[in-house]
Amino acid sequence: GQNIDQPTEMTATEGAIVQINCTYQTSGFNGLFWYQQHAGEAPTFLSYNVLDGLEEKGRFSSFLSRSKGYSYLLLKELQMKDSASYLCAGEAGGSYIPTFGRGTSLIVHP
Amino acid sequence: DAGVIQSPRHEVTEMGQEVTLRCKPISGHNSLFWYRQTMMRGLELLIYFNNNVPIDDSGMPEDRFSAKMPNASFSTLKIQPSEPRDSAVYFCASSSPTGLAGDGVSHEQYFGPGTRLTVT
Repeated sequence: GQNIDQPTEMTATEGAIVQINCTYQTSGFNGLFWYQQHAGEAPTFLSYNVLDGLEEKGRFSSFLSRSKGYSYLLLKELQMKDSASYLCAGEAGGSYIPTFGRGTSLIVHP
Repeated sequence: DAGVIQSPRHEVTEMGQEVTLRCKPISGHNSLFWYRQTMMRGLELLIYFNNNVPIDDSGMPEDRFSAKMPNASFSTLKIQPSEPRDSAVYFCASSSPTGLAGDGVSHEQYFGPGTRLTVT
């Protein structure tokens, strides 16, 4: 099985940088997803990490450390529209089935 | 492409009634997932189909829940009889995994807009 842990809520200021952490425990591991979910909407894909290191995609970057069972999502130059829930999902070995964390609700204020 | 289509978008029903949720995956995607999302439990996988065959239904809560995928372009999730604790948002998602799991190729899921179910 898998256990995904991430903070419940975070707040940040417009224009700032915020890091959302995720730790996972799994009997096997393929890779790790990050999804964004605005209130009342469906989750949308942000990133997928398989190898250790940082992958940058515009204002968003995602980091993975397989040895530490740890990932983070880095959001730069925060905008009000970044207020959303961010879901971390681990993918077990030999499977295409992700296990989602409870999500981190990010509130960006002026 | 229209994306994943779900219907209805909202459903309000009384306890004991049968509820059927519908999903049309993205054309060409061979994997389909049904999820349930609540504040208490987050996003939970109910069942996963690959090439129309149920692969993992360990998340289906109990016998009241059943899911079918008669062809590559349609799936249903049925609850009979429904109970108030079934109230949640039900999402359908599809993906198109290529290669082998863990080969580094991203196979993100595309979610439908969800069905908000309220059982009174």
